[in-house]
Amino acid sequence: AQTVTQSQPEMSVQEAETVTLSCTYDTSESDYYLFWYKQPPSRQMILVIRQEAYKQQNATENRFSVNFQKAAKSFSLKISDSQLGDAAMYFCAYRTHYGGSQGNLIFGKGTKLSVKP
Amino acid sequence: DVKVTQSSRYLVKRTGEKVFLECVQDMDHENMFWYRQDPGLGLRLIYFSYDVKMKEKGDIPEGYSVSREKKERFSLILESASTNQTSMYLCASSLAGLASYNEQFFGPGTRLTVL
Repeated sequence: AQTVTQSQPEMSVQEAETVTLSCTYDTSESDYYLFWYKQPPSRQMILVIRQEAYKQQNATENRFSVNFQKAAKSFSLKISDSQLGDAAMYFCAYRTHYGGSQGNLIFGKGTKLSVKP
Repeated sequence: DVKVTQSSRYLVKRTGEKVFLECVQDMDHENMFWYRQDPGLGLRLIYFSYDVKMKEKGDIPEGYSVSREKKERFSLILESASTNQTSMYLCASSLAGLASYNEQFFGPGTRLTVL
């Protein structure tokens, strides 16, 4: 069974600085999808960025980028030029590419990011 | 914009009550999911449905049931609420198929307190 581990329960960053959130996963599959979701306080969970395993190029979305290391089974999220609105819980998630489980996501336990002004 | 709505943001119920949590999505998604979110435990899948009247158990189905009579609506039912079911409940939906991202879209959550 696949597992997702976020080893940092809490992180803190100064406004305008860069922070990296860690995520590792365990799988025997060769193709899969990885996601980072953001859950602001008392607000809806939204997708931040996504990566397909067969794509070697790291995904980027504006100030958000990932460092995808397939061999190491690592999928870290880098937030550049941190803003106060980036403060949230961040969840890393894995989804299979193959049959069964209808695309269920497997989530890590989350990292709570604080941004200091 | 994809919209997933949940019937209540906050709900307080008594032990033993039957509780209904409703979720509606407006994007014609085939898949719908119910999660429970607890501090330090992340999101755990309770049930999911990939078609009308179809359902499958997730990781923690005990004490819960679900109903999907229409494609856009997925209900979570607590037959006899207990204090250990006090939690945040999140609904999500996605397109079917595994050959594409088909990411899940989440509702705002229902914070349920069972007294």
